[in-house]
Amino acid sequence: GNSVTQMEGPVTLSEEAFLTINCTYTATGYPSLFWYVQYPGEGLQLLLKATKADDKGSNKGFEATYRKETTSFHLEKGSVQVSDSAVYFCALIGNQAGTALIFGKGTTLSVSS
Amino acid sequence: EAQVTQNPRYLITVTGKKLTVTCSQNMNHEYMSWYRQDPGLGLRQIYYSMNVEVTDKGDVPEGYKVSRKEKRNFPLILESPSPNQTSLYFCASRAQVLNTEAFFGQGTRLTVV
Repeated sequence: GNSVTQMEGPVTLSEEAFLTINCTYTATGYPSLFWYVQYPGEGLQLLLKATKADDKGSNKGFEATYRKETTSFHLEKGSVQVSDSAVYFCALIGNQAGTALIFGKGTTLSVSS
Repeated sequence: EAQVTQNPRYLITVTGKKLTVTCSQNMNHEYMSWYRQDPGLGLRQIYYSMNVEVTDKGDVPEGYKVSRKEKRNFPLILESPSPNQTSLYFCASRAQVLNTEAFFGQGTRLTVV
């Protein structure tokens, strides 16, 4: 079945550092890929998405590229801020109607000033 | 404003006392689902519904019930809660078409003592 594996956290960075959170997936066909973010005490919000190979999703300075050849969707940001402290989830939806949104286990990011 | 609304946000209850967590969405989405979030396990799907009167089990359905009598509402029912159901619960909705993002409620923190 479909699955998502993302790097274990927590990730602790200083402000303005470069961020990478690795995400790889297993799926048949061509899934859509997502990054969700969960700020403390809140629900999940979509951060970015990519629906086909080589697509790059971007939002709020974050980027991720859908790499079919390496089945990866790594999240990157060039310069993190304290306000980026949150839990980040990589997720996928298979390419059949009605399939579930499958999540990785989440990576906690803590950014200090 | 497009949103998914869950109630209550916080609930402490005793073992065996039936409870219902409500979920409502205003986006006319066909697909709705419930997840539970536990440390180290990420988000796991409990139940989902592809449309009115159509529900099915997710990965961890034991001890839960759902109903979908109207398109906008998808309540989660715990007939006889147990301490192992202490968790953070999220309701989500999305359109049935492929590649669309899911929208999440704010979450319900349930404690069963």
